[in-house]
Formats: sequence, structure tokens, C-alpha cells
Amino acid sequence: KQEVTQIPAALSVPEGENLVLNCSFTDSAIYNLQWFRQDPGKGLTSLLLIQSSQREQTSGRLNASLDKSSGRSTLYIAASQPGDSATYLCAVISGGGADGLTFGKGTHLIIQP
Amino acid sequence: GAVVSQHPSRVICKSGTSVKIECRSLDFQATTMFWYRQFPKQSLMLMATSNEGSKATYEQGVEKDKFLINHASLTLSTLTVTSAHPEDSSFYICSARDVNSPLHFGNGTRLTVT
Repeated sequence: KQEVTQIPAALSVPEGENLVLNCSFTDSAIYNLQWFRQDPGKGLTSLLLIQSSQREQTSGRLNASLDKSSGRSTLYIAASQPGDSATYLCAVISGGGADGLTFGKGTHLIIQP
Repeated sequence: GAVVSQHPSRVICKSGTSVKIECRSLDFQATTMFWYRQFPKQSLMLMATSNEGSKATYEQGVEKDKFLINHASLTLSTLTVTSAHPEDSSFYICSARDVNSPLHFGNGTRLTVT
């Protein structure tokens, strides 16, 4: 059974810093991996989607990498801003892609002004 | 882009009553819909997978008689929490996709059972 772990569980940094969020998964046979953002009491916002054949994706200040063989992904946030404060979730779809997502517990990020 | 509408966004109900949550795909045909729930400080957990016109497949530990899922059309799936109890209070979120699209998520429903 696929398990997704995110480290750290919480992170608080001053504005302007670059930071890295980590995600690991136990079964490397994934279809794709996604990073989401969740604001308190809100739904999910998809940030980046990496297919199993890809190694990274970039969107603005965000860069996500994928090392499928080692079961790891990182989300890099450059020049952090207070508006980046949220919970960041990593999720994978395993197997052939027909299954639902398996989520990590998230990293609660606070960017201090 | 593709939009999934989930309604209601918040609902408060009394213990023992039933609550229906709707998930609609607005501009694509959702052949598959997924229902997740998230307890406070926990990760989102998949509850069930529903394919249009067939019975939902429930994850282990999810009571199918308590969480009724109907996916009668390509644009609508409903989750009914029957005889709700306080322990069912949670954040429920749906996602949908058609054959060749990525997943699109609804904005979630915060259920509080008093």
C-alpha cells in the first residue's frame, strides 16, 4: 500500500528566504505526483503536476523535482512571501493512473513578514 | 479551465440526520469521481471511487451503507452521509476527471454534526 510522508510537518521562515519541502513515497511505481496548496478551511489548489517520466516542473517561483527511483520529490519555493503561507500537500497516483490520489499529511508553512 | 463545483461549502446538521453533498463537473464529462475526507490535522484520505453508471468502490474501513455515493450522470456525483454522528464531522472533497484529463477538485464541504 502506497504511503506518502512529508517533512517537515511545519515550517516558519522569514520573508524572502528560499525553502524546500520534502515528500517521500514508499512505492516507486507511480503514475504521477502532484503538489497542492490548501488554505485554512479551503479546498485544494493544484500547484505542479509531474508525470512519472518527468524529473521536474516549474511554475513561477515554484519548482518541483521528482526522483522516482528513490521515492522522493521536493518542492522549492524561491523568494518566499507572506502570501505563500498555507499547507502544502504532496500526493501521488500509483499504478496505471486509474486510482485516486494518496496524500501526505502536508507541511504547514508560515512566512513571517 | 475545467471546473468542479461542490455544494454546499458548509453544512451543520443534527446527529441522526442525513446530509447530501453534490459534486458537479461544469464543462467536462466526469467518467470517474473520487471522494475524500480530511479530519483535522490529518491528510486527505480517499473514501471511494465512483464510475458513472456503476456502483462505487469503497476503500477499506469506509462504510458503504453510511456513505452513499451516487454517480448517475457524467456530470454529477452525490455523497450522502446517512444518520450522521459527531465523529463524521470532517472536510469532504470531491475530484473528477474524464478519460484524458487530470484530476480537478471541488472546493470541499465542511460538515459539522452537532
